[in-house]
Amino acid sequence: RKEVEQDPGPFNVPEGATVAFNCTYSNSASQSFFWYRQDCRKEPKLLMSVYSSGNEDGRFTAQLNRASQYISLLIRDSKLSDSATYLCVVKGYNFNKFYFGSGTKLNVKP
Amino acid sequence: EAEVAQSPRYKITEKSQAVAFWCDPISGHATLYWYRQILGQGPELLVQFQDESVVDDSQLPKDRFSAERLKGVDSTLKIQPAELGDSAMYLCASKGSGEQYFGPGTRLTVT
Repeated sequence: RKEVEQDPGPFNVPEGATVAFNCTYSNSASQSFFWYRQDCRKEPKLLMSVYSSGNEDGRFTAQLNRASQYISLLIRDSKLSDSATYLCVVKGYNFNKFYFGSGTKLNVKP
Repeated sequence: EAEVAQSPRYKITEKSQAVAFWCDPISGHATLYWYRQILGQGPELLVQFQDESVVDDSQLPKDRFSAERLKGVDSTLKIQPAELGDSAMYLCASKGSGEQYFGPGTRLTVT
């Protein structure tokens, strides 16, 4: 079983739509959680950390459910520029090791 | 803003040749990672350093891959001999006290 699992998509949504991605992780001892954004043929870039209480950054909201071992990312009012692959990342219980999901592809259409 | 540097950005090599990638992490970051990413998949850890020491190389194909970080700063990843299946993006990342930050990657094509 993979440490982190994501729906690969693609999610095809119109501009202005709200879209949500989920990600599940297998190890209950995982410590920290992140969403990274990756544009085609570029490196991953940190979008936001995910805190237990949930956190928001503009149009983006991240939530963590430790009991069910899943993380979510909500994007409101989607923009064309949001088109990318979104990687769910979990920092493991062992020393500074990060586990990546395979990514969820988002296409925002005009 | 400090960045992780990698070179070369692109590399085309023939199978059975040797190839090397270089990474310079953000100054002061003790943890350095090398990942391999195949198109459509997430990054896969090859090796993790803490300062000059290898912390995890369990997924590194040691018969052909080697990595070093002799002075605990920059790092080199080598493949010898390269195989067709090694074609991928090789990403370096570094971490201080917080999140990890990625370099631009080296896109390797083995022909």
